[in-house]
Amino acid sequence: GENVEQHPSTLSVQEGDSAVIKCTYSDSASNYFPWYKQELGKRPQLIIDIRSNVGEKKDQRIAVTLNKTAKHFSLHITETQPEDSAVYFCAASRDSWGKLQFGAGTQVVVTP
Amino acid sequence: GAVVSQHPSWVICKSGTSVKIECRSLDFQATTMFWYRQFPKQSLMLMATSNEGSKATYEQGVEKDKFLINHASLTLSTLTVTSAHPEDSSFYICSARDAASGSYEQYFGPGTRLTVT
Repeated sequence: GENVEQHPSTLSVQEGDSAVIKCTYSDSASNYFPWYKQELGKRPQLIIDIRSNVGEKKDQRIAVTLNKTAKHFSLHITETQPEDSAVYFCAASRDSWGKLQFGAGTQVVVTP
Repeated sequence: GAVVSQHPSWVICKSGTSVKIECRSLDFQATTMFWYRQFPKQSLMLMATSNEGSKATYEQGVEKDKFLINHASLTLSTLTVTSAHPEDSSFYICSARDAASGSYEQYFGPGTRLTVT
């Protein structure tokens, strides 16, 4: 089955700097790659997603890049703010049912 | 966006008892719902895929007789933890897709915190 690896496990950045989280996946048939932000005790919130027919997608300060050949995708957050502090999860899905395999998560701490 | 609710938001039960968690899609029909379990400081682990009108599909290592899933309608799936033990204490989250929209996006419920004493 699909295996998703995520790095780093923790990331501390100064406010205003950029943050990058990387994920690799094993199943070349995976075609949907969402990123979620989860605050303590809350549900995961979709922040951006990308399909396999697109190499890059951007939404304001957030961007995701996908390299299908290398089977990795990355989340980029620019101009980080304290409210960006949370746990971020990448995920991958290969089938039409939408079963998601999650990465282990990255704890992002943005210090003022 | 689409809304998924869960009930209860938290529950405390005694070891050996059963507890039922409900997951509802409020403004769309969900032929497929997913149940996840999340232990503290860990990722979401898919437990099972719930299909309306048919048996759930369980992930490897998840006991289907312990975690009973019923998807009786297009807007409701239930997870029953039978004979609960302290090690079942966790955060249980459901999600659903609005398949009719053609979107791959999954909408997550707010989660249920289960504590077994």
